[in-house]
Amino acid sequence: GESVGLHLPTLSVQEGDNSIINCAYSNSASDYFIWYKQESGKGPQFIIDIRSNMDKRQGQRVTVLLNKTVKHLSLQIAATQPGDSAVYFCAESGGSNYKLTFGKGTLLTVNP
Amino acid sequence: DAGVIQSPRHEVTEMGQEVTLRCKPISGHDYLFWYRQTMMRGLELLIYFNNNVPIDDSGMPEDRFSAKMPNASFSTLKIQPSEPRDSAVYFCASSPLGAGVTGELFFGEGSRLTVL
Repeated sequence: GESVGLHLPTLSVQEGDNSIINCAYSNSASDYFIWYKQESGKGPQFIIDIRSNMDKRQGQRVTVLLNKTVKHLSLQIAATQPGDSAVYFCAESGGSNYKLTFGKGTLLTVNP
Repeated sequence: DAGVIQSPRHEVTEMGQEVTLRCKPISGHDYLFWYRQTMMRGLELLIYFNNNVPIDDSGMPEDRFSAKMPNASFSTLKIQPSEPRDSAVYFCASSPLGAGVTGELFFGEGSRLTVL
C-alpha cells in the first residue's frame, strides 16, 4: 500500500556538522509534507513543512528539499547541536485534508 | 495554554483488563487524533475526530478498541480486553485545522501502556 519510509534508521554526526535526513514516499497523490522531531519521552513536535508546488523551504537552521520526480524529501540541519539529538519523522498528507501518515523515523545522534 | 494533556503517563496492567486513556486537547482545536507508536510499526493513526465527531476510525485495530469524544475538551481511548500486543505509547494530538491545511499537530506527551 501507499507508505512513507526512510532510507537511514540512524545517523550520527559531530557537533557543528550539517545533518541530512532522507525520506522516500510512494503516494503520488501526496502534496504536502511535514518534518517532526521527537525527543526521548516526549511527543512529536512540528519542525517545518513544504507543499508540492515548492522544491525548497528554509527555516531557522533547517531546510527541507522536495524532489517530486523521485518522490524524495530531505531535512537538512545546519550546525547540528546536541539538542538536535532526537528521532526525526517525515509525514505526508496523502492527498487527505485531514490526516497525516508518518514514516518510521531516523534517530539522529549528535556527538560533542 | 498547557498544551495537550494525556493521562495516565504510564499504565501497567494485566492481560484481559480494561484500559482507559484520556486526552484533553488544546482549547479551540477542532481536530483530535489518536496515534499509537511502537518500534515495529512506528506512528499509526488510530482514529480522528472533527468537532467531536469520529471521522475516520479505519486505523482502529479491532473491536477491542473504542474511542469517544463526549465534548470539545475531552476524549478517551478504551481497550477492552487488553492484550500484550497492545503495549505501546499512545499519543493524542490536536489541531485547529485539518492536517492537510496545516500539518502542525500538537501532541501530548503520550501514555505508555504495558500489558503483561
